[in-house]
Amino acid sequence: DAGVIQSPRHEVTEMGQEVTLRCKPISGHNSLFWYRQTMMRGLELLIYFNNNVPIDDSGMPEDRFSAKMPNASFSTLKIQPSEPRDSAVYFCASSAPGLPNTEAFFGQGTRLTVV
Amino acid sequence: AQKITQTQPGMFVQEKEAVTLDCTYDTSDQSYGLFWYKQPSSGEMIFLIYQGSYDEQNATEGRYSLNFQKARKSANLVISASQLGDSAMYFCAMGGFGNEKLTFGTGTRLTIIP
Repeated sequence: DAGVIQSPRHEVTEMGQEVTLRCKPISGHNSLFWYRQTMMRGLELLIYFNNNVPIDDSGMPEDRFSAKMPNASFSTLKIQPSEPRDSAVYFCASSAPGLPNTEAFFGQGTRLTVV
Repeated sequence: AQKITQTQPGMFVQEKEAVTLDCTYDTSDQSYGLFWYKQPSSGEMIFLIYQGSYDEQNATEGRYSLNFQKARKSANLVISASQLGDSAMYFCAMGGFGNEKLTFGTGTRLTIIP
């Protein structure tokens, strides 16, 4: 399997512009996560989906952030409008069903810089 | 709510020595899972090892082992015979029963000295 695939790997954009990050989870995985990593706040869960349904979006910072999962093989995280404080590495991860837990596999991340 | 605490911001260890990275957790769940991830300087997050709360034996994966002490709520990672390639950030994480999302600690930066 190719693993979790994220695009783009790097994104530089101007403040106020719309940014869309993309993720393809591992085939067969039914949970998908979006994390943000910064020096100040570490790894934060933004939102996660189970069977394409958003389960917990309490980590989404504000209305400028939105995430969708239209099907089992694709998800997007959109920031509109972007601000400099959104600069971070955004990770997508997926996990297979299993109890009590199964490990999450991470993509390579998207390094977002908003200038 | 779940909480992970990693009290060692950084560690320096001589090559070939064993190293223990500390992790304590807090949860009200009776069943949960504990994970360790490695993040090298290239940035990717690499899964290392998993321990279920009801597993009676400590998990092992090659040179990695997890020293699980349930009563003390600790899940320390032990790396035996450290190598230069072990230099990285290490994150401890946990998930509740049937709750797929993981809560991460702040990480420990491990540097292996030749």
